[in-house]
Amino acid sequence: GENVEQHPSTLSVQEGDSAVIKCTYSDSASNYFPWYKQELGKRPQLIIDIRSNVGEKKDQRIAVTLNKTAKHFSLHITETQPEDSAVYFCAASLGYSSASKIIFGSGTRLSIRP
Amino acid sequence: DGGITQSPKYLFRKEGQNVTLSCEQNLNHDAMYWYRQDPGQGLRLIYYSQIVNDFQKGDIAEGYSVSREKKESFPLTVTSAQKNPTAFYLCASSIAGDEQYFGPGTRLTVT
Repeated sequence: GENVEQHPSTLSVQEGDSAVIKCTYSDSASNYFPWYKQELGKRPQLIIDIRSNVGEKKDQRIAVTLNKTAKHFSLHITETQPEDSAVYFCAASLGYSSASKIIFGSGTRLSIRP
Repeated sequence: DGGITQSPKYLFRKEGQNVTLSCEQNLNHDAMYWYRQDPGQGLRLIYYSQIVNDFQKGDIAEGYSVSREKKESFPLTVTSAQKNPTAFYLCASSIAGDEQYFGPGTRLTVT
């Protein structure tokens, strides 16, 4: 079945530096790739997503890139701030398929050092 | 809060008792999902439903049961057969395969 691998499991960066989290997926039919941020004790919330018809999407300090050939996508956070500290989950799905579900990666705990 | 609610926020039960967790959404989403999250771990899919009166097992369905009698509601029952039920339970809804909106979660403690 579909599998999503996420690396690294933990990441610590100096405030102001960039952070990169990488994911690979197994099902080449996947066409929707969301990223969720979960703060301690809270619900996951969508921060950015990308569909397979584009290679890159940016929203202020956050960007996601997609390489369909390699079945690989990444989250890039620039100019990191203390409030970026959280667990980040990547995910992949078949999009608007009646039988689809979203497969989540195992998560990356990002810590921003002051 | 995104139109999806879970109750209660905290739930305590004795071992051997069944317990039902509530999940309601007013987003008119067809698909609903239940996840389990253990401390420091990721999201594991328990059950999901794409349409009323139909649902499928996820990766860890043993010891759990669900129903989907109404589009708005997808309750999860944690049965006494679940060996280690203490966890954080998250419900979500979506247009099938699209962005999932999560509820605030129920933290279940079984002693």
